[in-house]
Amino acid sequence: QPVLTQSSSASASPGSSVKVTCTLSTGHSNYIIAWHQQQPGKAPRYLMKLENSGSYNKGSGVPDRFSGSSSGADRYLTISNLQSEDEADYYCETWDTNTRVFGGGTKVTVL
Amino acid sequence: ELQLLESGGGLVQPGGSLRLSCAASGFTFTSYGMTWVRQAPGKGLEWVSAISGSGANKYYADSVKGRFTISRDNSKSTLYLQMNSLRAEDTAVYYCAKTYGHLEYWGQGTLVSVSS
Repeated sequence: QPVLTQSSSASASPGSSVKVTCTLSTGHSNYIIAWHQQQPGKAPRYLMKLENSGSYNKGSGVPDRFSGSSSGADRYLTISNLQSEDEADYYCETWDTNTRVFGGGTKVTVL
Repeated sequence: ELQLLESGGGLVQPGGSLRLSCAASGFTFTSYGMTWVRQAPGKGLEWVSAISGSGANKYYADSVKGRFTISRDNSKSTLYLQMNSLRAEDTAVYYCAKTYGHLEYWGQGTLVSVSS
């Protein structure tokens, strides 16, 4: 089954950009993933689905400053014009026929 | 408006049982698979179980196989998770999620605490 690897933390100043990386394990580089945001004390929220082509589809109400991209086994979530409310944990997710896996999460801090 | 409302969590002793429910509204329930995900205190997300729209296909994480049972009542637009032989390591917030390949919408979660 696939394994997703995320760096544990990232930080940036308000108004700047931050890029979060999720890496698929060997043999799974063509998998579609999804990104989810979890603000402190809240349930996760679906942000977008991201294909290995770099094409992405965002969920309803997700601000334009959230975008996705791909390179090989790496899937990226970029947050532009960082806002204080973007401080959260970000998880990537992928799935197979009978299983589903999450990355360990990346804590994004707005400095 | 789409809504997923979990209930049934609480404090239970090791070895005990609980049944979680997830009441769905705002979408055609039978057209979507549903998934349970849990999050232990201070930890990341862990997939628990999934069920197809018809209920015919069910999948479980190894950590809960043989102890947990997922089911759904499409006439009531409700998803269930029967949890037996609970252990301390099952302590977590349990979320249900509407599933369309990816997890498309999450409920607010219900807390399960397993402790003597």
